[in-house]
Amino acid sequence: EIVLTQSPGTLSLSPGERATLSCRASQSVSSSYLAWYQQKPGQAPRLLIYGASSRATGIPDRFSGSGSGTDFTLTISRLEPEDFAVYYCQQYGSSQFTFGPGTKVDIK
Amino acid sequence: EVQLVQSGAEVKKPGESLKISCKGSGYSFTSYWIGWVRQMPGKGLEWMGIIYPGDSDTRYSPSFQGQVTISADKSISTAYLQWSSLKASDTAMYYCARLDDFWSGFIYWGQGTLVTVSS
Repeated sequence: EIVLTQSPGTLSLSPGERATLSCRASQSVSSSYLAWYQQKPGQAPRLLIYGASSRATGIPDRFSGSGSGTDFTLTISRLEPEDFAVYYCQQYGSSQFTFGPGTKVDIK
Repeated sequence: EVQLVQSGAEVKKPGESLKISCKGSGYSFTSYWIGWVRQMPGKGLEWMGIIYPGDSDTRYSPSFQGQVTISADKSISTAYLQWSSLKASDTAMYYCARLDDFWSGFIYWGQGTLVTVSS
């Protein structure tokens, strides 16, 4: 089973700043099968990025994904007030999905 | 409009059985995988398993294999998650979500069903 590790656990930033979130896999992940989600309190997760770098429908272009192999990154270029939330990476491989433990982006 | 509507919150006692549901609408229910995701209080997301309603092909996470059963009734466009004997540790929010392709991520999500197991 592929294990995903996310860092940092919490990221404290101010609106307008750039956020860089990391997702590391225990073994190589096909870029096609790496996704990122945003979850706000009391809400279901929302898909942001699929295929490591493709934005889902309706996702603002301040969100971008990159990476390959075992190292992937979600970047939020300029944080808006509504971006403070928890972010999860997720991979698919060998008929199994796994989620990372999440990174909380909170207001500094 | 694609919608996944889940059944309401449940309060159960340890040892009881439970079946929660996820009804799809606005699309061809038999053509897309439905997955189930657990979120324990204050914790992260855990993938439990997926089912393809078209032929009931089902795959489980090793962590949940044997602990739950995933099924679907395509005649009423509904997927199910069931337990035969609940434990207090099953207390969680459970989400269903539609998978368009294995590379697409889970695009559409239900609103979640809160299951509380307490004596």
